[in-house]
Formats: sequence, structure tokens, C-alpha cells
Amino acid sequence: AQTVTQSQPEMSVQEAETVTLSCTYDTSESDYYLFWYKQPPSRQMILVIRQEAYKQQNATENRFSVNFQKAAKSFSLKISDSQLGDAAMYFCAYRSPRTGNQFYFGTGTSLTVIP
Amino acid sequence: GAVVSQHPSWVICKSGTSVKIECRSLDFQATTMFWYRQFPKQSLMLMATSNEGSKATYEQGVEKDKFLINHASLTLSTLTVTSAHPEDSSFYICSARGDRENSPLHFGNGTRLTVT
Repeated sequence: AQTVTQSQPEMSVQEAETVTLSCTYDTSESDYYLFWYKQPPSRQMILVIRQEAYKQQNATENRFSVNFQKAAKSFSLKISDSQLGDAAMYFCAYRSPRTGNQFYFGTGTSLTVIP
Repeated sequence: GAVVSQHPSWVICKSGTSVKIECRSLDFQATTMFWYRQFPKQSLMLMATSNEGSKATYEQGVEKDKFLINHASLTLSTLTVTSAHPEDSSFYICSARGDRENSPLHFGNGTRLTVT
């Protein structure tokens, strides 16, 4: 099974500031997909951003962007201009086309936004 | 966008009874659905992969006779917790992947199960 590691159990950021959440993964494959999901207190899992491994360009979605370093197997999430509504658990996920449809999740990072 | 509906949102049942949780893909067909369990402040633990028209694939350590999964159509999968016990109390989440290669997982809202 693939391993997805989030080394920061908890992070905090001042409102309007920028924060980066780390994610690394272990794989021998060259083709795969990476995702960041957000789980607010409602516990609904919400897709934040996705990245295809074959794309060199880092994905961006408004205030959210990733730093995808394929050689280092790193996939960090940067949140700019943090807002109170960004407070949530964030999960990094990996999916390989070759292991069926299974997604592998990291252990999560709890993000607190300080007003 | 793709929507996954999960019902009920919460349920309280007595020990020894069975509870059924439904997961529906509303605007896309899902040949595969996934059932996760999540403990407080922890990650999602994959319980089983539900395959339309065939038997579910259970992860190691998950009792197939206790957690019955049925995926009778391309839009509906059900998880039945049989003979529930207090230790089965948890948050259960279903998900389905869209039909494109780069599709993400779409999640239901989850079901909070409390067994008394």
C-alpha cells in the first residue's frame, strides 16, 4: 500500500497570513494523482485541489496552491490570505491508476486560524 | 458537480440491532464506492470497496459478516452494521469516484452512529 505522511498534526495561522501544510508520499510509480481535502467541523469532506503527477505545473485554486516536487515525493498545500472559514482538518490523498480506485489518505493536519 | 448523498446523517440504536446506511451517487454512475470509518480527530480508515454487481472487498481486520455491503445498482451502495455494539459507534463516510480518469473522490455527508 502507498504511504502518505503528514508530519504536522496541528498548525495555526493568523488571519490574512499564509500557511503551508506538508505532505509526502511513498511510491515507485510515475503516474498518479494527488489531492488535498478539507474537513471542517461539519465533517463533510471537501475537495480543495488536485494535481496530476504528469503535469509539471503546480495546481492553483484561488487562494490555494500546491508545491508539487515529484522527485522529492512532496505535495505541500499553501493557503494564502487565510480566512476563518479555512479552519479545518486537511487531508492529503494519493491515488494510483494501477491499484484500482483506492485512495490513500494521510493522517491529517488540524489548521487553526487566529483572528 | 458530482454529488453523493448519504442517509441517515445520524442514528442511535440499541445494542444488538442492525442499522442500514445508504449511499447514493445522484448525478453520476459509480461502479465502485468506498466505505470509510473515522474516529475522532483521526484519518479515514478504509473499511471496504463496494463493487456494483459483485462482492465487496474488505480491508484486513474488517469483519465482512458484521459490516454487510450491498451494491445493487450503479447509484446505490448500502452498509449494514449487524448486531451493533457500542464499540461500533463511529462516524461512517461513503464515497464514490467520478467516471473520468482524474476524477477525485466525492464524499457523502457521513453518518454518526451511536450504539447504546
